[in-house]
Amino acid sequence: DTGVSQNPRHKITKRGQNVTFRCDPISEHNRLYWYRQTLGQGPEFLTYFQNEAQLEKSRLLSDRFSAERPKGSFSTLEIQRTEQGDSAMYLCASSLALNTEAFFGQGTRLTVV
Amino acid sequence: GIQVEQSPPDLILQEGANSTLRCNFSDSVNNLQWFHQNPWGQLINLFYIPSGTKQNGRLSATTVATERYSLLYISSSQTTDSGVYFCAVEVRGNTGGFKTIFGAGTRLFVKA
Repeated sequence: DTGVSQNPRHKITKRGQNVTFRCDPISEHNRLYWYRQTLGQGPEFLTYFQNEAQLEKSRLLSDRFSAERPKGSFSTLEIQRTEQGDSAMYLCASSLALNTEAFFGQGTRLTVV
Repeated sequence: GIQVEQSPPDLILQEGANSTLRCNFSDSVNNLQWFHQNPWGQLINLFYIPSGTKQNGRLSATTVATERYSLLYISSSQTTDSGVYFCAVEVRGNTGGFKTIFGAGTRLFVKA
């Protein structure tokens, strides 16, 4: 297993466009997390899945953000009508179960111009 | 909500020096992890340590959950230790699940 994989690594988009990111967790990891990190800050929790169920969403996650994990394996994070304030690194992590360590992917850096 | 505070915010060390990084949290937590973010942005697991003490080479960590703090020790620092060290705690969320809260990090620079 090569670890958590995120695609694309970089995305530049024009304001108002929709973007979608993909995360492939470590095989057999049931929990999958999404975070956003801006320059000089720690990662901010966005949402997490237990298998295909989305169990927690941050209040940071506006209506323009949606995440899915349809078969309990990979996940997608979509941002609609992007704004310049959405520019950030989007990080995905996975863990085997509750109370086990989480492993991070390399992130997708989004730039909205 | 829970507050996670890390200190010091910035730290400059001479290669070979030792250091202690601290993480305080304001409420009970489900678990705690320490991460190192390298200059390329990758978050590397250091310790999963909800309580007790663990050691891994030149690094060790101690969490005293009853007193709501954790410490990360770096001994004989090397230039490759440079980067940002984050403490992250998992707590109950607002809708019955869990969420992870990161501290603001300690930025470490080790000089050769």
